[in-house]
Amino acid sequence: EAGVAQSPRYKIIEKRQSVAFWCNPISGHATLYWYQQILGQGPKLLIQFQNNGVVDDSQLPKDRFSAERLKGVDSTLKIQPAKLEDSAVYLCASSQQGGAQETQYFGPGTRLLVL
Amino acid sequence: GDSVTQMEGPVTLSEEAFLTINCTYTATGYPSLFWYVQYPGEGLQLLLKATKADDKGSNKGFEATYRKETTSFHLEKGSVQVSDSAVYFCALSNAGGTSYGKLTFGQGTILTVHP
Repeated sequence: EAGVAQSPRYKIIEKRQSVAFWCNPISGHATLYWYQQILGQGPKLLIQFQNNGVVDDSQLPKDRFSAERLKGVDSTLKIQPAKLEDSAVYLCASSQQGGAQETQYFGPGTRLLVL
Repeated sequence: GDSVTQMEGPVTLSEEAFLTINCTYTATGYPSLFWYVQYPGEGLQLLLKATKADDKGSNKGFEATYRKETTSFHLEKGSVQVSDSAVYFCALSNAGGTSYGKLTFGQGTILTVHP
C-alpha cells in the first residue's frame, strides 16, 4: 500500500513570496490533515478535511494560509505572503474516517525555510 | 483545551538500558492516546496506541498503559538498542467538544542510544 506522498520535500523562499505544498493521501482515506511542525515542537493542526469539506480550520492563519481538497483526494496548502515565522515542516496525514481512535498516517513532510 | 506534556529531553542511554519517557495529558471526555516516533530522515509513524482506560499498547518491545487516574501514558522499554534512537511524540485524539479526531502532540523527546 502506497503511503502519503508530499512534494516538494524542501523549499527556500524569501519573505513576502508565495509557496504551495501538495499532498496525496493513502487511497480511500476520507480524512486529510495538514500539520505545522516548528523546530523543537510537536506538530500542530492547521486544517482538517473530511472528503472535500473542511472540518476544522480554527488554527489556520486565514489571512495568509489557504488550503483546498478538490474531489476529496489530493490537497494543496498555500502560503501568501510568507513570513519568517512560517519556517517549519509541513506535514500531511490521512486516516480512513477521522475517528479519534484511528491511526493517522503521515507523509515525509515539506521543510520550508523563509529568508 | 486539550494538551500533552512530555518530560524535558533529551534522553541519552547506553544500549540495553531501561527507558522511560513520561507523558501526561489534559483532556475532556475519553481521549485516545498515542506514541508516534520519528527516526532520522523519516516521517512520523505510529509506535503504539491505547483507546480506553487501563489499555496497554505495545510494539517493538515498547509499552505504555493508559492511566486515567493519573492522566498519564508513559512509554517504557526494558532494553533499548542503538536503532531506537529517534524523536518520540506523545499525542492524544479526542472526539468530544471542538475536536474531530485531530492529534494534539507533546513537544517531543529526543532519545539517543550509545553502543
